Amino acid sequence: DTGVSQNPRHKITKRGQNVTFRCDPISEHNRLYWYRQTLGQGPEFLTYFQNEAQLEKSRLLSDRFSAERPKGSFSTLEIQRTEQGDSAMYLCASSRTVTYGYTFGSGTRLTVV
Amino acid sequence: KNEVEQSPQNLTAQEGEFITINCSYSVGISALHWLQQHPGGGIVSLFMLSSGKKKHGRLIATINIQEKHSSLHITASHPRDSAVYICAVETSGSRLTFGEGTQLTVNP
Repeated sequence: DTGVSQNPRHKITKRGQNVTFRCDPISEHNRLYWYRQTLGQGPEFLTYFQNEAQLEKSRLLSDRFSAERPKGSFSTLEIQRTEQGDSAMYLCASSRTVTYGYTFGSGTRLTVV
Repeated sequence: KNEVEQSPQNLTAQEGEFITINCSYSVGISALHWLQQHPGGGIVSLFMLSSGKKKHGRLIATINIQEKHSSLHITASHPRDSAVYICAVETSGSRLTFGEGTQLTVNP
């Protein structure tokens, strides 16, 4: 068990480009969550999966954002046509179905220039 | 008004002091979490509470469900405790709603 792994750790992109982030959860964890955190704020919920099913999406997740979790294993979060307001830390977390805690990844810091 | 509010936003203490961080929430919850975040972004889960009190080392967390309030205490604080402490509540679908965090600085 190597914890929740997120890649890349840092991403700098030009406005208008597409970016994709990856999250590898703890293998026996059924639930996977994506959160976004801007400087000085607490994380905000984006979306969550139970196995491969995307069960909830925040209204923060505009049409430019899409998340997948094929086969209920790793997950990807794609942002199309990035904007400067997308600059944030994107955090992934996983948990078991009967929740007794969450394990967070180290996050991917996105900077849109 | 945020669903989860923490106080204080910033806290500076001297090494050895007893520290209390408070969290109030306004929604029905299934559990409350205390998390620690160090510079660079990594978040560590400290406690998950649905009632009563939990203790781990120098950290103590309490929750009062009727009053919708939780506290995190640190005894004999140390500079390595310096971090952002975040309260988060678990609501529908088990997703977390976070407070804005408390920046703790412990000076030697």
